[in-house]
Amino acid sequence: EAGVTQFPSHSVIEKGQTVTLRCDPISGHDNLYWYRRVMGKEIKFLLHFVKESKQDESGMPNNRFLAERTGGTYSTLKVQPAELEDSGVYFCASSSQPGSTYEQYFGPGTRLTVT
Amino acid sequence: AQSVTQPDIHITVSEGASLELRCNYSYGATPYLFWYVQSPGQGLQLLLKYFSGDTLVQGIKGFEAEFKRSQSSFNLRKPSVHWSDAAEYFCAVAIDQAGTALIFGKGTTLSVSS
Repeated sequence: EAGVTQFPSHSVIEKGQTVTLRCDPISGHDNLYWYRRVMGKEIKFLLHFVKESKQDESGMPNNRFLAERTGGTYSTLKVQPAELEDSGVYFCASSSQPGSTYEQYFGPGTRLTVT
Repeated sequence: AQSVTQPDIHITVSEGASLELRCNYSYGATPYLFWYVQSPGQGLQLLLKYFSGDTLVQGIKGFEAEFKRSQSSFNLRKPSVHWSDAAEYFCAVAIDQAGTALIFGKGTTLSVSS
């Protein structure tokens, strides 16, 4: 079974440009999460999808960030326009229905560098 | 608000020596507790988790963790470290099982010396 995949693995863009990150969860996982780790800080939650619906987007930093999950499969996270402080590693995770084996499976992350 | 503290940013341990990584959490009730590991170029891998029951939890790769309610701690241990254990370790909590977000500590980087 394939794990969570993320694309690209690394992106370098200039301030003011747009970047779109993609996450493909484990097949059949309804829950999809985005997290971000800024250098030197902890990994922080951005938002949570259940299928195609946003369950919780309380961690989204501002309206320059737009997440979508059309059809309840893969998800994209767009940053427009990018700012220097958006640099960091963006992780995606997915999980199946919550229960006693609750576990979030993480992808390798996308390292975003805004110059 | 809930928080997780990993007091050690970087630890160096000799190969074959024992390891303990500290984790303290701040939450009124007993949260769901996790330890993840991230090796270079890899995603976060779950080492073990605690939901309830026996407070000593066994995980993969020979790791274990002990939940101590009185100390709000969930320290990770391994009796004998291998060079391949060099990685970054994250403690995390969730307040329930209903698909809520994980709250992470800042991570502890483990180096293993020969």
